Amino acid sequence: GQQLNQSPQSMFIQEGEDVSMNCTSSSIFNTWLWYKQDPGEGPVLLIALYKAGELTSNGRLTAQFGITRKDSFLNISASIPSDVGIYFCAGQLAGGGADGLTFGKGTHLIIQP
Amino acid sequence: DAGVTQSPTHLIKTRGQHVTLRCSPISGHKSVSWYQQVLGQGPQFIFQYYEKEERGRGNFPDRFSARQFPNYSSELNVNALLLGDSALYLCASSFRGASTEAFFGQGTRLTVV
Repeated sequence: GQQLNQSPQSMFIQEGEDVSMNCTSSSIFNTWLWYKQDPGEGPVLLIALYKAGELTSNGRLTAQFGITRKDSFLNISASIPSDVGIYFCAGQLAGGGADGLTFGKGTHLIIQP
Repeated sequence: DAGVTQSPTHLIKTRGQHVTLRCSPISGHKSVSWYQQVLGQGPQFIFQYYEKEERGRGNFPDRFSARQFPNYSSELNVNALLLGDSALYLCASSFRGASTEAFFGQGTRLTVV
């Protein structure tokens, strides 16, 4: 099935650094969602975006819905050890209400002490 | 408030067998979606049910089927299991369709031997 192009695949950073990851697609999306998944758990919703250009924050997390509706990014400021995990972008295709969410392959965030 | 609950959390089946996975959505949510997540990948959409009717189906064979009950809980059935069906099966709950925020359960880890 179709997947979003999510990058980077993995990130090795120092505690306190800022993090940026993004998702792109050749298709237009109506909704962008960002999730975090810990080992053995289901994805946890971090931020939901519904309008092109929308910029939304949730604590140290900020995400934006690209104006072309084909991309989104997630920033994490001042990373802390509990930020470790896999981050997924997910989108709802325009006109694809019956197709569920399309997910990226994930960005594995590793924080070095 | 209880989140999305799935059962069982783990199970092991033999090739050719049948399996039934269960999901209870968040109270008040009327839509349930099922996803398959293989190791190292993002979740792949299988089915969406809303108000007890199938509203979407992903690119999965007919061995996969599902239903939603009057209390909005759902079952995913997989017949004639193959080794490749080994995955984490995730259930997502949303108030209405997949275009709104989807909240995931912890998943059922299925191993086919």
